[in-house]
Amino acid sequence: DTAVSQTPKYLVTQMGNDKSIKCEQNLGHDTMYWYKQDSKKFLKIMFSYNNKELIINETVPNRFSPKSPDKAHLNLHINSLELGDSAVYFCASSPGVLGGRAWGEQFFGPGTRLTVL
Amino acid sequence: TQLLEQSPQFLSIQEGENLTVYCNSSSVFSSLQWYRQEPGEGPVLLVTVVTGGEVKKLKRLTFQFGDARKDSSLHITAAQPGDTGLYLCAGAHNQGGKLIFGQGTELSVKP
Repeated sequence: DTAVSQTPKYLVTQMGNDKSIKCEQNLGHDTMYWYKQDSKKFLKIMFSYNNKELIINETVPNRFSPKSPDKAHLNLHINSLELGDSAVYFCASSPGVLGGRAWGEQFFGPGTRLTVL
Repeated sequence: TQLLEQSPQFLSIQEGENLTVYCNSSSVFSSLQWYRQEPGEGPVLLVTVVTGGEVKKLKRLTFQFGDARKDSSLHITAAQPGDTGLYLCAGAHNQGGKLIFGQGTELSVKP
């Protein structure tokens, strides 16, 4: 069984469009994350949710809006896509955040490769 | 800005050689994790080091956390083609699970 799954795997779209990426984890974890990996393989956190509550919001354009309908799902909606948004987006989850400290390893999904033309 | 400097960025070696990857920062981390990522997949955790000076071994891989908890190293003995991949170090702070990743080391082990 897949622990952290993302859909779609590949997303090719035109500049200016709006798109969503979905993430689901079946590990029973409380905390979920979105990361962006650029063309140089640099991985940077974007958002983190703990039990549906936003706890990390890095300096990300407000065109990016995460939504967590329940603790097993964390979706990412992107408005008005730009060329610079092209990257691989990874969802991850971890058991939880205890007293502000993360505990347990982070499990990553397979990634969504977004290409904006 | 908290940064993790990882070196080297690229490493191409022959099977059987030894190698070391370094991860350095001016910041103190509560823990440091090493991940391995294969093409088309997400990173997979190899190890977490928590205590300054800690050494952990995973078969032919040896991980060390610096005494001051600002740096770490990964040493691979007798590298094999199956070790090929992107190795990432990531430092954790007490900020809601936030990980700061290094730039990664792309390792290629040729048979």
